[in-house]
Amino acid sequence: DTAVSQTPKYLVTQMGNDKSIKCEQNLGHDTMYWYKQDSKKFLKIMFSYNNKELIINETVPNRFSPKSPDKAHLNLHINSLELGDSAVYFCASSQVFGKRQTGNTIYFGEGSWLTVV
Amino acid sequence: SQQGEEDPQALSIQEGENATMNCSYKTSINNLQWYRQNSGRGLVHLILIRSNEREKHSGRLRVTLDTSKKSSSLLITASRAADTASYFCGEIQGAQKLVFGQGTRLTINP
Repeated sequence: DTAVSQTPKYLVTQMGNDKSIKCEQNLGHDTMYWYKQDSKKFLKIMFSYNNKELIINETVPNRFSPKSPDKAHLNLHINSLELGDSAVYFCASSQVFGKRQTGNTIYFGEGSWLTVV
Repeated sequence: SQQGEEDPQALSIQEGENATMNCSYKTSINNLQWYRQNSGRGLVHLILIRSNEREKHSGRLRVTLDTSKKSSSLLITASRAADTASYFCGEIQGAQKLVFGQGTRLTINP
């Protein structure tokens, strides 16, 4: 069974379109994330949700809107796609990161390759 | 937030040799984690070292941590072709954010 699964794996779309990437984890984790990996392999955190509550929102354009219907799902909706949005988007999950948590491993999905043309 | 850096950005060695990758981080950490990313795949956790540890081993992996220099190294001994991947170190910034550098792309030549 796949621990963190995200769909679609590949997505090619035109500028200006709106698209969504879905993510589900079956690990029973409370915390989920979206990371973006650019062409130079930099991996940057975008959002983090803990039990459906937004806890990290990096400096991300408001065209990106995460939605967590329950703690096992964290979807990413992107409006008005731009060329610069082309990247690989990774969903991930972990047990709660908290001030006293020092060793939580993050489990990543396989990535969604988004190409905006 | 500030991202750390891995060094070198790319490393190519012969199978059987040892590979050493270094990581510098920015903040005062509770722990530092190393991950591997195979081409076209997600990141996979390799090893975690806590701030009060100086060295940790897991199979052919050896991680060291120098908190005074804010640096860590990952040594892979007796490398194999299957070790070809990108390796990332991740530091926890604040309470809940794992931040990665650019990674080191390791190529093991048969």
